[in-house]
Amino acid sequence: GNSVTQMEGPVTLSEEAFLTINCTYTATGYPSLFWYVQYPGEGLQLLLKATKADDKGSNKGFEATYRKETTSFHLEKGSVQVSDSAVYFCALRGGTSYGKLTFGQGTILTVHP
Amino acid sequence: GAVVSQHPSRVICKSGTSVKIECRSLDFQATTMFWYRQFPKKSLMLMATSNEGSKATYEQGVEKDKFLINHASLTLSTLTVTSAHPEDSSFYICSARETGTESYTFGSGTRLTVV
Repeated sequence: GNSVTQMEGPVTLSEEAFLTINCTYTATGYPSLFWYVQYPGEGLQLLLKATKADDKGSNKGFEATYRKETTSFHLEKGSVQVSDSAVYFCALRGGTSYGKLTFGQGTILTVHP
Repeated sequence: GAVVSQHPSRVICKSGTSVKIECRSLDFQATTMFWYRQFPKKSLMLMATSNEGSKATYEQGVEKDKFLINHASLTLSTLTVTSAHPEDSSFYICSARETGTESYTFGSGTRLTVV
């Protein structure tokens, strides 16, 4: 079956630091990959996505590149802000999941001023 | 953009009672809706997939008689937690897939506390 593994958190950074949250996946075929963000007490919001190998998804300064050779979709941001503090989920759809989203365990990010 | 309204955002109920959570797509039709449960500091666990006009498909280990799902229209799905117990306390999130697309929109979640 499909699975997604994210780096263990929590991650604590100072404002303007560089962010990387690792994500690797296992799936058959050619899944679509996503990053979702969840702010405290809220549901999930789509941050970015990539639907095929070598695609780069980007939004709000965040980027992630679909690497089929390493089955990875790492999230990066060059300069984080306090407002980026949230939980980030890597997810995939496709392969054997028949349209369902499979989520990683989530990574808590805290950014200090 | 697409919006999914989920109500209530918070609910406290007594053990043994039932609670209904609504998930409504406001500006699009959703043939398929998903219900997730999120435990503290854990990822989302898919509970069931509901398709408009048909029975929901439950994931392994989810009690279908306890978590009743109804998807009677293209814009509304409901999750009813029956005979709630404290261990049912959790954060429940719905997601709606716009008909004919691969676009998923999440509700803002419902914090259920059973006392």
